[in-house]
Amino acid sequence: DAGVIQSPRHEVTEMGQEVTLRCKPISGHDYLFWYRQTMMRGLELLIYFNNNVPIDDSGMPEDRFSAKMPNASFSTLKIQPSEPRDSAVYFCASSLTEPPYNEQFFGPGTRLTVL
Amino acid sequence: AQKVTQAQTEISVVEKEDVTLDCVYETRDTTYYLFWYKQPPSGELVFLIRRNSFDEQNEISGRYSWNFQKSTSSFNFTITASQVVDSAVYFCALSEAYSGAGSYQLTFGKGTKLSVIP
Repeated sequence: DAGVIQSPRHEVTEMGQEVTLRCKPISGHDYLFWYRQTMMRGLELLIYFNNNVPIDDSGMPEDRFSAKMPNASFSTLKIQPSEPRDSAVYFCASSLTEPPYNEQFFGPGTRLTVL
Repeated sequence: AQKVTQAQTEISVVEKEDVTLDCVYETRDTTYYLFWYKQPPSGELVFLIRRNSFDEQNEISGRYSWNFQKSTSSFNFTITASQVVDSAVYFCALSEAYSGAGSYQLTFGKGTKLSVIP
């Protein structure tokens, strides 16, 4: 069975450009999470969905960030406009069971560099 | 507020040595969950173990073992007879049972980078 799929794996863009990160969760998993990993702040939960509905977006840093889940097999994280401080590795994870005790399956991440 | 501290930033050991990764947490909740994840060089995080606050039994899985002590708010991870394939960054994480309004907060430590030298 395929794991969590993320694309692209690497993204280099210039400040001010729109960036869209994509995620396909494991089939049958009702929960989807977006994380950001930086050296300074470590791993941070940005937002999570249950059955395609955003449950908690309190971790989204600012209005430049938005996330959608139009169906059970696809989610996007969009940054518009991007800034150099957005450079990080963005992970998508999915789980079968609900938080807070759920085992999460992580994708390989998207390494974003904003110049 | 919850907090996870992994004081060891980097550890290097020679293959076959035992190594313990420390994790200390802070929480006001009586019900919470602790996790360990492994991040190999390939990048994705891999779930290793989950513990709830009411289960203080230590656990062993092959060469891996975990020591949960509520009295010291610690959840340490030991690898016995380390191997090169154990080289990775290991994260300890804490999740409280209730964060209000249906939300929850999973807090990760900063991670410990383990290098196992052949």
